Amino acid sequence: NAGVTQTPKFRILKIGQSMTLQCTQDMNHNYMYWYRQDPGMGLKLIYYSVGAGITDKGEVPNGYNVSRSTTEDFPLRLELAAPSQTSVYFCASRPGGGGNTIYFGEGSWLTVV
Amino acid sequence: DQQVKQNSPSLSVQEGRISILNCDYTNSMFDYFLWYKKYPAEGPTFLISISSIKDKNEDGRFTVFLNKSAKHLSLHIVPSQPGDSAVYFCAASKLTGGGNKLTFGTGTQLKVEL
Repeated sequence: NAGVTQTPKFRILKIGQSMTLQCTQDMNHNYMYWYRQDPGMGLKLIYYSVGAGITDKGEVPNGYNVSRSTTEDFPLRLELAAPSQTSVYFCASRPGGGGNTIYFGEGSWLTVV
Repeated sequence: DQQVKQNSPSLSVQEGRISILNCDYTNSMFDYFLWYKKYPAEGPTFLISISSIKDKNEDGRFTVFLNKSAKHLSLHIVPSQPGDSAVYFCAASKLTGGGNKLTFGTGTQLKVEL
């Protein structure tokens, strides 16, 4: 009953470091998303993917990269971490076809110092 | 440009009474609307949705109303329970094309008091 799994749950990075947030889903969903949520704000879309091998930018893609080599995995890469990337990151997925219900992971808390 | 707006950051309601959470949107291309509930340190969970071809959808204690002409939707919770205390996000999308991305509002913190 895993659903969408994100790792790590918490991480502290130094300015300029790089890291990858991992996301995997076991529901065979075609669509996957990365959102970030800043305090008092809604969720902003970083990148999304409509299937393996296909990715596209969302509202706030700068400073991030993604890849989708398999249906299950959608890692988010932060290059040269900046304090502005301190946020909570949510990975999500949904099946193809009709309906727009997106299923979220539990979140990854990232602090850049 | 905030296309989905939740103008009340917080709402306090007594247990057993009705909670009404409001949401406005500006993009007339949106045709599907959802409400998500979020507890601290957890991911958002889907609550209820409505298509633009309807003006009301009900699921147990939760009802969502859509007024397309006003570009306004609301979530009614009756009766409110302490376990309903959470942040509620309104979200909107287009059913076809563009990866069906969700655009979220900023959330309303609901507190249900005993």
